[in-house]
Amino acid sequence: DSGVTQTPKHLITATGQRVTLRCSPRSGDLSVYWYQQSLDQGLQFLIQYYNGEERAKGNILERFSAQQFPDLHSELNLSSLELGDSALYFCASSPRDDRSSPLHFGNGTRLTVT
Amino acid sequence: GESVGLHLPTLSVQEGDNSIINCAYSNSASDYFIWYKQESGKGPQFIIDIRSNMDKRQGQRVTVLLNKTVKHLSLQIAATQPGDSAVYFCAEGVAWDMRFGAGTRLTVKP
Repeated sequence: DSGVTQTPKHLITATGQRVTLRCSPRSGDLSVYWYQQSLDQGLQFLIQYYNGEERAKGNILERFSAQQFPDLHSELNLSSLELGDSALYFCASSPRDDRSSPLHFGNGTRLTVT
Repeated sequence: GESVGLHLPTLSVQEGDNSIINCAYSNSASDYFIWYKQESGKGPQFIIDIRSNMDKRQGQRVTVLLNKTVKHLSLQIAATQPGDSAVYFCAEGVAWDMRFGAGTRLTVKP
């Protein structure tokens, strides 16, 4: 058990809808990262937050947004969903905002857009 | 552009044999390398890491080798067990820019 909790585990929704994915980092970790994993793209970095502030952005679409709350949990919001957004979404956490230590991943949310 | 890749998408080994999973990277500025294991239905799990000032690091039954000259990373698993069956990813990066390879699926035959 990595200590990172993601909810929900599965999500099925229709095109055009909006969903929110939730992540609770490991106790003591200040950084949260969001990744998208699809069959043809592998693990793609979306965005990183550190102690409530956005730290780095990767290949995140404008339709997607995230935030990290004072209690350090994070939410990833996906809107105007398209079929191609179907993927596994992983949250990971680490103690600091650099990459001096490995990331610890949750078990992901599987999003299916129909 | 920069890329991280794996030589083999699948690897099948006999239980008890040693496994070697390879990874090529192209960003010569990368200074931190990690191997992750992902089992079905789970997130990537940290196995072992290595920094660019080292060329070898050993863990429990696993060894990571780094050859910066040819930009090559490998993961060696000793006495492979059925529980080692999973997809293995290498990741390399600098600061926040950590890039993951596509993964190699390791299957252990009894």
